[in-house]
Amino acid sequence: QKEVEQNSGPLSVPEGAIASLNCTYSDRGSQSFFWYRQYSGKSPELIMSIYSNGDKEDGRFTAQLNKASQYVSLLIRDSQPSDSATYLCAVTWGSQGNLIFGKGTKLSVKP
Amino acid sequence: GAVVSQHPSWVICKSGTSVKIECRSLDFQATTMFWYRQFPKQSLMLMATSNEGSKATYEQGVEKDKFLINHASLTLSTLTVTSAHPEDSSFYICSASQGGFSTDTQYFGPGTRLTVL
Repeated sequence: QKEVEQNSGPLSVPEGAIASLNCTYSDRGSQSFFWYRQYSGKSPELIMSIYSNGDKEDGRFTAQLNKASQYVSLLIRDSQPSDSATYLCAVTWGSQGNLIFGKGTKLSVKP
Repeated sequence: GAVVSQHPSWVICKSGTSVKIECRSLDFQATTMFWYRQFPKQSLMLMATSNEGSKATYEQGVEKDKFLINHASLTLSTLTVTSAHPEDSSFYICSASQGGFSTDTQYFGPGTRLTVL
């Protein structure tokens, strides 16, 4: 059974702090890894994609991938109250890129 | 770029009726479209994958005769929930990718909230 595991939280950080979100996956054959943000009642919004080991930075967001450990993380620097949402880790499997989602980590950024 | 729309955004129907949800890629051609369902406080669960012009591939446990998927063009896929029941009430979200490869990004529509009375 292919699985993606995330800590459900809630993760609470003060405004301006670094938020660290973690994800592990079970399928060693997975090639693509994504972080989505989902506000309550809305559909997911893509934040970052990462395909190779190491770090990938985009503005305040940094994704980290370690395929040997089957681990993906997302760091949010200078967290803002508007970052408060559920963050979904997603991993692809299969030739067409079917996505398996984790249950999400709820982040709360306190002003 | 990469905008996906869904229609309707919400629908309420009586038990036993059928409901059609449309998913459109507005500024790109979507080789592959995906349909997800999300129940409250749960994550997205893939229901089926569809490629233009071919039959959809359904995930285990999803009834293909109940959830009819048509991907008639490179910009439009439809999901029809037939003989809907209250347990089908959920948030239905489609996504689309351009190339249909495992490294392609999926772009999500805004979702359709279905309530079956």
